[in-house]
Amino acid sequence: DAKTTQPTSMDCAEGRAANLPCNHSTISGNEYVYWYRQIHSQGPQYIIHGLKNNETNEMASLIITEDRKSSTLILPHATLRDTAVYYCIVRVVIGGKSTFGDGTTLTVKP
Amino acid sequence: NAGVMQNPRHLVRRRGQEARLRCSPMKGHSHVYWYRQLPEEGLKFMVYLQKENIIDESGMPKERFSAEFPKEGPSILRIQQVVRGDSAAYFCASSTPRDYEQYFGPGTRLTVT
Repeated sequence: DAKTTQPTSMDCAEGRAANLPCNHSTISGNEYVYWYRQIHSQGPQYIIHGLKNNETNEMASLIITEDRKSSTLILPHATLRDTAVYYCIVRVVIGGKSTFGDGTTLTVKP
Repeated sequence: NAGVMQNPRHLVRRRGQEARLRCSPMKGHSHVYWYRQLPEEGLKFMVYLQKENIIDESGMPKERFSAEFPKEGPSILRIQQVVRGDSAAYFCASSTPRDYEQYFGPGTRLTVT
């Protein structure tokens, strides 16, 4: 599995967009980019995934660069409940183990 | 449809005892993954199982740890002769063969005294 690099921590004002970057320069052609988050010590929660096109769902948007070496998770209107550790993972789709790094601790402030 | 269930949620064992952690995947899911999270660290992959088969155990410690996912019943992660360093949160995730997403359970917090 490819290794990912994320900033250790970020702050965001409530109501503003939170942009979380991730580098995955050694990603393979068959690996997808996944984002999860972990609130307190709960089980990780799936947010979004993508291969090479930008993706959007009810929670977030995922922007993947054309060379696929980096991506950005966007939470359009961050709330206090979005405070969590956000993990960027690259893995094959079917049966792929997820290799979690240290993630980014996002703190949303009022 | 109930989510992934893990029990017990909290488990306390003395050094040298055995710990058994159970994971019931979501209905219809035949793939189970176990992860360990040490305090203040990210999740580390341990093992990937399908029904009655271990597919990838590259993250399992070589000794004292074993996992199974029988045809009937939950997946079991077994830790023999626990030591203090085994204290951690253990998460399982499940998926179908065609799922893009792995659904995580709430975890079991093991404390070794």
